Amino acid sequence: ILNVEQSPQSLHVQEGDSTNFTCSFPSSNFYALHWYRWETAKSPEALFVMTLNGDEKKKGRISATLNTKEGYSYLYIKGSQPEDSATYLCACMDSNYQLIWGAGTKLIIKP
Amino acid sequence: DAGVIQSPRHEVTEMGQEVTLRCKPISGHDYLFWYRQTMMRGLELLIYFNNNVPIDDSGMPEDRFSAKMPNASFSTLKIQPSEPRDSAVYFCASSVGSGWGTDTQYFGPGTRLTVL
Repeated sequence: ILNVEQSPQSLHVQEGDSTNFTCSFPSSNFYALHWYRWETAKSPEALFVMTLNGDEKKKGRISATLNTKEGYSYLYIKGSQPEDSATYLCACMDSNYQLIWGAGTKLIIKP
Repeated sequence: DAGVIQSPRHEVTEMGQEVTLRCKPISGHDYLFWYRQTMMRGLELLIYFNNNVPIDDSGMPEDRFSAKMPNASFSTLKIQPSEPRDSAVYFCASSVGSGWGTDTQYFGPGTRLTVL
C-alpha cells in the first residue's frame, strides 16, 4: 500500500507570486497520479492525471510534472490569484490498483 | 448532465439513529465511489462499485456501515447505529470506464453528517 505525502501542509502566498508544492510517493509499483483542486465548501475537481516519467501537464497558470523514478510530482501555480485559494490533493495509484490520497496542501492567496 | 447528485446536503442526527446517504452518479459512469473526509484522516475511500457490484469494501470502518447500489443510477450508504465519531463529510464520486488509473473521478457536493 502506498504512502502519499504532500508538502507543505499549508502555504500562504502573496497575490501575483508563483508557488509550487510537492506530492511524494513510493516509486515502486507506480501506475498513475492525479491532482485535484478542492475549494472550501465544494467538491474536489480533477486537474491532471499523469502516468509517464517526465510527464508535464498544463492548464492555464497551473502546471504539474511527474518523476516516477524518484517518486514525486510538483504542482506549480504561476502568478497566484485569489481564486487559486483551495486545497490541492494528489492521489496515487499503484500497479495493484490501490488508490491512496494525500492529505492535501492548503493554499491561501493573500491579496 | 447535472453531475453527481448527493442528498441530503446536511444531516444532523442523534447517536443511535440510522442514517442513509444517497447518491446519483453521472449517467453512463460505470464506477461509483463512497469517500469520507475528516480533519484527522483526510479523504478515505470507503467502498466502490463497478456496474452496481461492490468491488472493494475494505475501507468501510465497521459493520455499522453498509452500502448498496440497486441500479446504475442510485446508491446508498447507511450507518446503523450512528455514533458521534461518524461525523464527517461523505462524498460520492463516479467515473467512466475503468475508474482507476487514468480515469477522472467526478465528485458530488458531499453530505455533511453530524451525529450528536
